[in-house]
Amino acid sequence: QVQLVQSGAEVKKPGASVKVSCKASGYTFTSYYMHWVRQAPGQGLEWMGIINPSGGSTSYAQKFQGRVTMTRDTSTSTVYMELSSLRSEDTAVYYCARDRGSLIAAAGPYYYMDVWGKGTTVTVSS
Amino acid sequence: EIVMTQSPATLSVSPGERATLSCRASQSVSSNLAWYQQKPGQAPRLLIYGASTRATGIPARFSGSGSGTEFTLTISSLQSEDFAVYYCQQYNNWPEFGQGTKVEIK
Repeated sequence: QVQLVQSGAEVKKPGASVKVSCKASGYTFTSYYMHWVRQAPGQGLEWMGIINPSGGSTSYAQKFQGRVTMTRDTSTSTVYMELSSLRSEDTAVYYCARDRGSLIAAAGPYYYMDVWGKGTTVTVSS
Repeated sequence: EIVMTQSPATLSVSPGERATLSCRASQSVSSNLAWYQQKPGQAPRLLIYGASTRATGIPARFSGSGSGTEFTLTISSLQSEDFAVYYCQQYNNWPEFGQGTKVEIK
């Protein structure tokens, strides 16, 4: 079945960087865009950006420009999200989520998400 | 930036009753609107896309309507498993989510 398995929880100090991984299985990795969405404690959902796993191109939310980098490794069907210059406000659960649009159909990305990982908790604390 | 506003923040409903959730966009998003359900400690789950199309496996008691700036998610007869937080998300531009509506047991 289609599955996104994320890496484990992280605790980081302010100013550090964190890199979260998301391993896809059950479908053709390079056929669907992948998003990253985060959720601060008790708060709503916030879109961070999107990566094309086939070509590696990315688009980031303006809020995260310059601080976020999304990459992929097609050999392991894994996407990565690295966030730098961490501050306490970055404490959140980070989700990877598959775009519903297929690259094969040349119709995407649709910018909504049909499969989600379970999330990775990132805590930023001194 | 398109601002998505959901109302009410909390909706108290008895099992078996109908729930109506609203989502308003600060400018037209056409029908590029999705709804998600999120239970505590879980990832969101896609319910509706294109404002009114149910995602795979979503029960018929969930329905979406609206276009432009005004949207509604209706749960026709609430089951115990439906008590959760619901988010709308526009994708006419870069994705933006509403702040959520919590559906709680009355």
